[in-house]
Amino acid sequence: NAGVTQTPKFQVLKTGQSMTLQCAQDMNHEYMSWYRQDPGMGLRLIHYSVGAGITDQGEVPNGYNVSRSTTEDFPLRLLSAAPSQTSVYFCASSTPYRDQGEQYFGPGTRLTVT
Amino acid sequence: RKEVEQDPGPFNVPEGATVAFNCTYSNSASQSFFWYRQDCRKEPKLLMSVYSSGNEDGRFTAQLNRASQYISLLIRDSKLSDSATYLCVDNQGGKLIFGQGTELSVKP
Repeated sequence: NAGVTQTPKFQVLKTGQSMTLQCAQDMNHEYMSWYRQDPGMGLRLIHYSVGAGITDQGEVPNGYNVSRSTTEDFPLRLLSAAPSQTSVYFCASSTPYRDQGEQYFGPGTRLTVT
Repeated sequence: RKEVEQDPGPFNVPEGATVAFNCTYSNSASQSFFWYRQDCRKEPKLLMSVYSSGNEDGRFTAQLNRASQYISLLIRDSKLSDSATYLCVDNQGGKLIFGQGTELSVKP
């Protein structure tokens, strides 16, 4: 199994540009989520999904959209990039039993918005 | 107030030392907690779960005090390879709420 994969690894955007961060998992996990990590802030939940067709907002959803059309994929879209969205983005997935808590993280996407 | 707060760190300790991290949480209804480890610029990985009765995994011991709403992680006989950031996590029905992390540096 490849686990959780994310593309791209690095990205530089100009203010106002849009892009999609890709996330895929091959473990048949129902639960997937997106986090951003900023220095001194820990990881903060952006959006999450408990299964195909179901998404919900996390702690910092503004400026981001998600969709979950398949179990495997959970893309994160930046509609109009802003410098405040410069961060490291991690995608994660976990087993169908949400309370188990072990989430498997992808390697991250390092995004810079200028 | 952040939902999960950790010791600010960094902790600089010699090899072989015992080091303890504390973490407090604000949601009194929370039932499930974890410690994750994150190496520099890498993804977080689960270190251990935290049970009410306390749990031990080799040199690592995690404890939960519900009355005081804090969680601890004890590392005995520190190794150079323990150098990392340790993240305290409140699992709210699959939504993980992370503390800001505590950096540990183990020196020879």
